[in-house]
Amino acid sequence: QVHLVESGGGVVQPGRSLRLSCAASGFTFSSSGMHWVRQAPGKGLEWVAVIWYDGSNKFYADSVRGRFTISRDNSKNMLYLQVNSLRAEDTALYYCARDINYGGSLPDYWGQGTLVTVSS
Amino acid sequence: DIVMTQTPLSLSVTPGQPASISCKSSQSLLHSDGKTYLYWYLQKSGQPPQLLIYEVFNRFSGVSDRFSGSGSGTNFTLKISRVEAEDVGIYYCMQSIQLPPITFGQGTRLDIK
Repeated sequence: QVHLVESGGGVVQPGRSLRLSCAASGFTFSSSGMHWVRQAPGKGLEWVAVIWYDGSNKFYADSVRGRFTISRDNSKNMLYLQVNSLRAEDTALYYCARDINYGGSLPDYWGQGTLVTVSS
Repeated sequence: DIVMTQTPLSLSVTPGQPASISCKSSQSLLHSDGKTYLYWYLQKSGQPPQLLIYEVFNRFSGVSDRFSGSGSGTNFTLKISRVEAEDVGIYYCMQSIQLPPITFGQGTRLDIK
């Protein structure tokens, strides 16, 4: 059974940084692309980033490119999102999601999310 | 970016009655590999999204056969043959033919009359 658990969220001041983590289990992590998707309070879904199964390709939404970095450690079954230069509009619940493929076209299973609140 | 437009944004359905949600994309979602990169998710209250339909009409594992997807090119539809209380939530369509970015529709809220 696919299990994804996000952590690392919290309340942070504008301009500061956080590292979000996602612990994966129940599947062969090293064979799956992985995504981060966020949802601002009361709003819809916004895709943030994807990383290929081996880390060879990474893609970002325009809204976060240059500030956020997606990475993974296949030896630990862990996905990360380094979020820098945080803005109020980055406030959201951040989900990690497995891709059904090696790359990044279909997020199938999602974690419960970790909440990031950017506020002074 | 490909814009995904859902209609209606909300609907209220009597249990046992059908429901239909439309999703239109600003560009064709048919890839040269023959696949159409259109998906449907349901997000129940307080829960992460769950995949219902992939590549237009394929039901994901464990999804009730009351759910069906159809369409082609830029016009797609999700149908629920007989709405049940457990179907309440927000439905999203999503495209991934163009990456980045993956884009979602605004969401359609379904509730029970």
